[in-house]
Amino acid sequence: AQSVTQPDIHITVSEGASLELRCNYSYGATPYLFWYVQSPGQGLQLLLKYFSGDTLVQGIKGFEAEFKRSQSSFNLRKPSVHWSDAAEYFCAVGSTSGTYKYIFGTGTRLKVLA
Amino acid sequence: GAGVSQSPSNKVTEKGKDVELRCDPISGHTALYWYRQSLGQGLEFLIYFQGNSAPDKSGLPSDRFSAERTGGSVSTLTIQRTQQEDSAVYLCASSSPTGVGSPLHFGNGTRLTVT
Repeated sequence: AQSVTQPDIHITVSEGASLELRCNYSYGATPYLFWYVQSPGQGLQLLLKYFSGDTLVQGIKGFEAEFKRSQSSFNLRKPSVHWSDAAEYFCAVGSTSGTYKYIFGTGTRLKVLA
Repeated sequence: GAGVSQSPSNKVTEKGKDVELRCDPISGHTALYWYRQSLGQGLEFLIYFQGNSAPDKSGLPSDRFSAERTGGSVSTLTIQRTQQEDSAVYLCASSSPTGVGSPLHFGNGTRLTVT
């Protein structure tokens, strides 16, 4: 069965520091992979997506993610974090088996220290 | 509208009452999803509508939950005889008709509190 694991529930970084949020997936084929961000009281906003091709994808707000098939990972990175990046981040995989479903990880809550 | 609209944004109800949550997707989006987000949890899939096809109800947690989508647009999620464990944020999302490669566009959710 498809699954998405985000092993870090909480992460705290200082403003200006680099960031990496981990995501591992279980899927039988090449997956469609997404990262979403959720600010307090808001819905989820798409940061970036990977379907095929270049394994390093760029997204909005200076985020990027790298698809590594050998590690079944799709980690999200940002070179320098801003205080406004404090939010919850969700990794998701799009399943093509059966009806179209998006399977989400449990999220990583990011706290940014001034 | 410009985005997915959900109403109400907050709903407080007494245990045992019925509630209706509304979702107005982006115009032209034929796929519509309902998710439930409980405190500290990820997104739990509830139900999926795609065009005129029969909905995928496999995520509905009990027969107290139902949803419909009228005219291929607005959707209503109904919870009958609410229980305290139903307290959560209910998120609606829509996507364009090109399938799972299309990203989801989310509304801001309805926060349901059952007292």
